[in-house]
Amino acid sequence: GDSVTQMEGPVTLSEEAFLTINCTYTATGYPSLFWYVQYPGEGLQLLLKATKADDKGSNKGFEATYRKETTSFHLEKGSVQVSDSAVYFCALSDYKKSSGDKLTFGTGTRLAVRP
Amino acid sequence: SAVISQKPSRDICQRGTSLTIQCQVDSQVTMMFWYRQQPGQSLTLIATANQGSEATYESGFVIDKFPISRPNLTFSTLTVSNMSPEDSSIYLCSVVTRTSYEQYFGPGTRLTVT
Repeated sequence: GDSVTQMEGPVTLSEEAFLTINCTYTATGYPSLFWYVQYPGEGLQLLLKATKADDKGSNKGFEATYRKETTSFHLEKGSVQVSDSAVYFCALSDYKKSSGDKLTFGTGTRLAVRP
Repeated sequence: SAVISQKPSRDICQRGTSLTIQCQVDSQVTMMFWYRQQPGQSLTLIATANQGSEATYESGFVIDKFPISRPNLTFSTLTVSNMSPEDSSIYLCSVVTRTSYEQYFGPGTRLTVT
């Protein structure tokens, strides 16, 4: 079945450092890919998405490119801030399958940014 | 986007009892889902809430334990029945809107079973 693998955390960075959180996926169909963020004490928010190969999703300085050849969707940000401290989840949805819009999540990566 | 509310936001319950969680959306949506997030874990889909018919459950989840209702396009309930400490989790409702086809999550219900 479909699966998502994320790098394990926690990831601890100093403010203004470069961030990469790796995400790879396995899917038999044509998935859409997502990054969700969960700030402390809050619910899940959609951060960005990409629906087909070579698409780049971007939001709030974060970017991720849908790489079909490497089945990856790594999250990057050039300069992190303390306010970016959160748990980040990579997820996929395979619209072509009978599962419809169900999301399959990775295990989540906790990011802590030091001032 | 969609504004989703869940009630209650948190509860502490005794084992053997049941709790019903409500999910209300401010607009009509195509699909509604219920997820569970156990402490320190990722999200696991419990079921798809189907309007006017029985929910579709994922492997490992059964209707007797997690009965779900969805009487209309904006409201759903999830009941956690005969609770045990292992049911202590955050339960999240999510929806897919008719316009963006993106999935939005409610704030979650934090359940602790003692």
